[in-house]
Amino acid sequence: EAGVTQSPRYAVLQEGQAVSFWCDPISGHDTLYWYQQPRDQGPQLLVYFRDEAVIDNSQLPSDRFSAVRPKGTNSTLKIQSAKQGDTATYLCASSFPGEDTQYFGPGTRLLVL
Amino acid sequence: AQSVTQPDARVTVSEGASLQLRCKYSYFGTPYLFWYVQYPRQGLQLLLKYYPGDPVVQGVNGFEAEFSKSNSSFHLRKASVHWSDWAVYFCAENTGYQNFYFGKGTSLTVIP
Repeated sequence: EAGVTQSPRYAVLQEGQAVSFWCDPISGHDTLYWYQQPRDQGPQLLVYFRDEAVIDNSQLPSDRFSAVRPKGTNSTLKIQSAKQGDTATYLCASSFPGEDTQYFGPGTRLLVL
Repeated sequence: AQSVTQPDARVTVSEGASLQLRCKYSYFGTPYLFWYVQYPRQGLQLLLKYYPGDPVVQGVNGFEAEFSKSNSSFHLRKASVHWSDWAVYFCAENTGYQNFYFGKGTSLTVIP
């Protein structure tokens, strides 16, 4: 069974540029999470979905960050006008209905210059 | 706010030695607790998880953890460390609303 896949694996951009991250969860998993993991830190939840609905996006910096999961499968996280402080690894995870064990993708490492 | 504290940012042990990685949680109730491992350039992988019940939980690859409500702790242990255990270990708590709170991680180095 394929795991959680993410793309791209790396991204380098200048401040002010936009970037999108894509996540394909494990088939059958209804819950999808996006985390931000700064260097030498633990993952910090940004947003999570159950099917196509946003359940909690309270930690998402709404003015520049957005996330969608229109068909309840793949998801895209977008950063408008990136800042140096956004430099981090962005992790996607998914879980099976009714379970809280999360399965993580390899992450996208973002460097904002 | 909920938080998880891993007081040791880095731990070094010799191969074959025993290991304990410390974790303290803040939730006043009884949380669900997890240990994840992260190998270089890979995603996090679940080692073990605790639900209210037996305080000692067995995980993969010989890892176990012990929950202590009196100490608000969930320390990870292994009797004999292997070089392949070289990784970063994260403790996490889930207070019941699918919101996971991760510690900052402990980087484990294994020396031959």
